[in-house]
Amino acid sequence: KAGVTQTPRYLIKTRGQQVTLSCSPISGHRSVSWYQQTPGQGLQFLFEYFSETQRNKGNFPGRFSGRQFSNSRSEMNVSTLELGDSALYLCASSLRTGTYEQYFGPGTRLTVT
Amino acid sequence: DAKTTQPPSMDCAEGRAANLPCNHSTISGNEYVYWYRQIHSQGPQYIIHGLKNNETNEMASLIITEDRKSSTLILPHATLRDTAVYYCIVRVWVPTGNQFYFGTGTSLTVIP
Repeated sequence: KAGVTQTPRYLIKTRGQQVTLSCSPISGHRSVSWYQQTPGQGLQFLFEYFSETQRNKGNFPGRFSGRQFSNSRSEMNVSTLELGDSALYLCASSLRTGTYEQYFGPGTRLTVT
Repeated sequence: DAKTTQPPSMDCAEGRAANLPCNHSTISGNEYVYWYRQIHSQGPQYIIHGLKNNETNEMASLIITEDRKSSTLILPHATLRDTAVYYCIVRVWVPTGNQFYFGTGTSLTVIP
């Protein structure tokens, strides 16, 4: 079974721009969660989508948003990029929402200059 | 979710068992213990989880003390590829909401 895939793997953007990252979960998995990882803050939860609805949201500003499609694929968007948004963005999928083990993708490395 | 305490770093000789401890003294009866690991610059990898009984899978064993206040992840025959940061997470089971809170973990270095 194919794992979680994320595209693109690397991205360089300029301050003020916006960016969209994509995540395809494991086949049959319906929950997708997004995390941000930085050296200073570690792994931080952004939000979770299940059945095309946002179920949980972490403590991030409204510039960070996401959505989920009917095939469970998910996208996250960051608008008005700031230098501090440079991070590894990780997507994780699980069978459904609730406390199920999550399977992570390789991440998208975003650099904001 | 209960807090966990892990040593910041550990070394293990290749081929020996790696025993990674985790303290979760405030754990409550309905909280599970999860272990993940993250190899440099990759996404975290699920290893194992348990509630009160010891668990074993193809990757590792999880030993939870009888009072559930601590646990140990055991990698039976550590290889160089097991060098990673290991996260112990305590999480109550809920039917909705799937966020995991990762702490700073234990950086395990397997030495040849």
